[in-house]
Amino acid sequence: QKEVEQNSGPLSVPEGAIASLNCTYSDRGSQSFFWYRQYSGKSPELIMFIYSNGDKEDGRFTAQLNKASQYVSLLIRDSQPSDSATYLCAVYGGSQGNLIFGKGTKLSVKP
Amino acid sequence: EAGVAQSPRYKIIEKRQSVAFWCNPISGHATLYWYQQILGQGPKLLIQFQNNGVVDDSQLPKDRFSAERLKGVDSTLKIQPAKLEDSAVYLCASSLGTGPEAFFGQGTRLTVV
Repeated sequence: QKEVEQNSGPLSVPEGAIASLNCTYSDRGSQSFFWYRQYSGKSPELIMFIYSNGDKEDGRFTAQLNKASQYVSLLIRDSQPSDSATYLCAVYGGSQGNLIFGKGTKLSVKP
Repeated sequence: EAGVAQSPRYKIIEKRQSVAFWCNPISGHATLYWYQQILGQGPKLLIQFQNNGVVDDSQLPKDRFSAERLKGVDSTLKIQPAKLEDSAVYLCASSLGTGPEAFFGQGTRLTVV
């Protein structure tokens, strides 16, 4: 069974700082990697995806992928209190071609 | 573009009763997922459909859960009989199938008492 591991946190950063969220996965056949944001009581919302090794930037968000190390990360620059949420790492592909989620990291941005 | 629709939003039942959830995916999305999310945990995949065929149901407790996707569009997830530990949010998501980005509905919050 494919596994996706995340530090559950909570991760607390001051407003304006960089928040760094990490994720590791077990299935080397995984093809696509996603970061979802989930506010309390709401559904997950897709914020970033990455397919290739390296960095992908979108506004204040940067996703980083290292397939050799089976490691994915999300950097949030200039963190805002509105970024306070749980961030879910999801991995697609492998032998079953399914989308598996980690348990999420709770981020708190303090004003 | 309309999003993923789910109903009901909330459901409270007694243990050993049955319950059904409905999902209408985004139009044209071939892949449909049902996830169970227990409070404080990440979504756990229960079943994945590609059109009306099952791709993965390895985590579905088949003694009490069942799911179907009629004509490759709408889907229902049923629990019979429910247990206390089934209390969770049941999330439906869909994707085009050509790209795995999945979009979620608002979920159904189930409470079993």
